[in-house]
Amino acid sequence: SQQGEEDPQALSIQEGENATMNCSYKTSINNLQWYRQNSGRGLVHLILIRSNEREKHSGRLRVTLDTSKKSSSLLITASRAADTASYFCRFPGGATNKLIFGTGTLLAVQP
Amino acid sequence: DTAVSQTPKYLVTQMGNDKSIKCEQNLGHDTMYWYKQDSKKFLKIMFSYNNKELIINETVPNRFSPKSPDKAHLNLHINSLELGDSAVYFCASSQDQVEAFFGQGTRLTVV
Repeated sequence: SQQGEEDPQALSIQEGENATMNCSYKTSINNLQWYRQNSGRGLVHLILIRSNEREKHSGRLRVTLDTSKKSSSLLITASRAADTASYFCRFPGGATNKLIFGTGTLLAVQP
Repeated sequence: DTAVSQTPKYLVTQMGNDKSIKCEQNLGHDTMYWYKQDSKKFLKIMFSYNNKELIINETVPNRFSPKSPDKAHLNLHINSLELGDSAVYFCASSQDQVEAFFGQGTRLTVV
């Protein structure tokens, strides 16, 4: 399947802890994006990292990209209950460069 | 103003019916998409239009037909609805295939 794989599928942590989720893909990419989806809502773009970047920060978010391993990670530091959501990576894949989503990680942050 | 709006938000219909979901974006983006999110939360691209021209057409049944009257609108028409079509359908738009803005989704239930 061309769909990206994310792990873990689900993650439960306490407020204040850090959360790390990983995305692996199969094709060559020029960028990778991370999105958040709150329950019953649409997806919201969080951060984009380009293939010539290894790490990027945005507030409490830190994204890394390892093109040799075809993988990316999203780290949320000092998590809050409001971070509870599903997180998806998205990247161009396939001959038509269509934008493919990973399988998603469901994060639950316990207050 | 909502950037990407899709209607209706909920749609319950009987098998065999024909229904449409409308999507409009006011961001001036050239590219619009339809995604299907199944019960396992997997997001699969269905169609992508760039300046009213179809550029991605995944292997979806012919019963699904997108229509783009102008670059701000991408509607999805579904004929002869089946139980397996039940899902949440998301419309999105982007410029240059980077950050995508998503609608709130249409939850389709076929009974």
